[in-house]
Amino acid sequence: DGGITQSPKYLFRKEGQNVTLSCEQNLNHDAMYWYRQDPGQGLRLIYYSQIVNDFQKGDIAEGYSVSREKKESFPLTVTSAQKNPTAFYLCASSMSSGVSYNEQFFGPGTRLTVL
Amino acid sequence: KQEVTQIPAALSVPEGENLVLNCSFTDSAIYNLQWFRQDPGKGLTSLLLIQSSQREQTSGRLNASLDKSSGRSTLYIAASQPGDSATYLCAVPDNTGKLIFGQGTTLQVKP
Repeated sequence: DGGITQSPKYLFRKEGQNVTLSCEQNLNHDAMYWYRQDPGQGLRLIYYSQIVNDFQKGDIAEGYSVSREKKESFPLTVTSAQKNPTAFYLCASSMSSGVSYNEQFFGPGTRLTVL
Repeated sequence: KQEVTQIPAALSVPEGENLVLNCSFTDSAIYNLQWFRQDPGKGLTSLLLIQSSQREQTSGRLNASLDKSSGRSTLYIAASQPGDSATYLCAVPDNTGKLIFGQGTTLQVKP
């Protein structure tokens, strides 16, 4: 069953804690993305990776970190430096980062709440 | 800088109506445009991707059109059903592949 999985579905974080959100895909896609969704603000790109062992900052990378050690995995760490991390986090992937054909497919999301 | 706008923000229609959702973009030099559906608390489901060289794409009761010169795309939903109730998002990629999203149109189809 091909697709993108994210875990956990819900995550609660205390002030000052780092937490890691998991994203796995078995679509053999090269490119992977992390977006953040807030009510009334739409989706904003946090980080993206076009190939293993390489990644770039998106529009709102401050307070976040990522790694891409394996093609199928792109975990996102929300650090204590992120001032307002409560949001819905969506992971996506596409066959490549080339724009000629880059249909993106999304995972089910992780809702992070800071207590 | 590319900006994507969707109007209206919300739409309520009775079951069975045909309806049109609008998406506009400021830079007509797009590579493609993608329409998504999002149910509350869920991820995005890709509905249609229309390439810049295409004028329209169809999938079941959905038809997406693209007019690059005017910076517009429409998503036509035929014979709407309560199960079509969701938020519909359009997005275009920049030259890095990053998607630039509109704010979405929240559709309610009443039985």
